Formats: sequence, C-alpha cells, structure tokens
Amino acid sequence: GAGVSQSPRYKVTKRGQDVALRCDPISGHVSLYWYRQALGQGPEFLTYFNYEAQQDKSGLPNDRFSAERPEGSISTLTIQRTEQRDSAMYRCASSLGPTTSTDTQYFGPGTRLTVL
Amino acid sequence: EDQVTQSPEALRLQEGESSSLNCSYTVSGLRGLFWYRQDPGKGPEFLFTLYSAGEEKEKERLKATLTKKESFLHITAPKPEDSATYLCAVAGVNDYKLSFGAGTTVTVRA
Repeated sequence: GAGVSQSPRYKVTKRGQDVALRCDPISGHVSLYWYRQALGQGPEFLTYFNYEAQQDKSGLPNDRFSAERPEGSISTLTIQRTEQRDSAMYRCASSLGPTTSTDTQYFGPGTRLTVL
Repeated sequence: EDQVTQSPEALRLQEGESSSLNCSYTVSGLRGLFWYRQDPGKGPEFLFTLYSAGEEKEKERLKATLTKKESFLHITAPKPEDSATYLCAVAGVNDYKLSFGAGTTVTVRA
C-alpha cells in the first residue's frame, strides 16, 4: 500500500479483556516501531523490530504488553488483561532500515483504544 | 535519557505573520533531529531531518535550523492550511527510537 495501515482504527473493550492491534508497514520497510500517544502529547516509544527480530522493547510498560512480527512484515501489539490506564492512541511507524540515510519513520493513522 | 522540550505550547498567528517554534533537546550524541506535522485525528507527517549543527532545510513556507542545543522551525507568511501541531523528536547515536516533545499547536487565522 501507499502508507502504513493499522487496524482496527477504533477499539472499545471491557477491562480485563485481551486486545490485538495490527500494523501493516510500507512495503519493503525493514524497521517497524510501536508508539503510544496520549492526548496533547507526542508519541512515546514502546518497541521496535528489524525484520522479525525485536530489537528493543524497553518502552513496553509491563508484561501485559507484547509484540511480534513473525514474518518480518505485519506486526501485532497485544495487550492482555486490559486496564483503563491502557486507553490511548497506539501508533505504528515503519522505515526503510537501520542506516542514517534511511531512518525516516512514517506513521500510520493509529488505533484508538478505549478500555471501559 | 533523551529529553525534548517544545515552546510555546500554542501559537495563534494572523495569516502572513511569520514566527518561530523552538525545540530544545538533550541527548547523548545526536543521530538526528526530526520535525513532524500532525493534523487532528491523523498520524504525524514527516517534514525534515537535521543531522548536524548549522544544517538548515526548507519546504514551502517552513524552514528548520539546528544548533547543538536546539532547533527552530520558522514559518514564513503562514496560511490557514499551515494550522497543525508541529512535533519535534530526537534519536541518539546507535538508537533508532524517537523521543518526542509535546508539540506546538499553531493556529493561523485568515
């Protein structure tokens, strides 16, 4: 596709349920990033992949959050046993690869998660 | 830990009234400083990357500059369509994650 796509665009769930958020990066992009953005703030890093390898997961808030990218393309961010504090916009970005000249990250439209 | 502070939080301009946005940063070795534009309900849209002090980049009415401690985004003769939130982010050497500021929301009145 022309850009990064994310699904669903909106997700409403009840506290305690598990949710899975999907990111489809720009075709050919090696690197994929997950961020979380609160209202009125900039995106906050969660985790990062090169191909299928998770390179950095230092931003994941706790062990209820996990991410995978099994075939080096589509990625899924999973939140188990959701809590109200997990409500936020979750954004995915992709870039060509881990070199200075190809490090521009392009963002998707995000998934708005609301936990009731 | 990388830190980015943007000022002002909000800026209201009259069409044609030029102004500047500030991004102050601390990072242990700068790999790049990035400017993005974000419209309501949309994801950040890439504008510029600056890599070293003294570097400047331009795009239409926008010009970004970089020093060792801060970056400026100059908006020359803005139009209403320049209304958006402008986000600044940095990445350190050997680090590919972006650390963002909170953004400056610019409103341009016709």
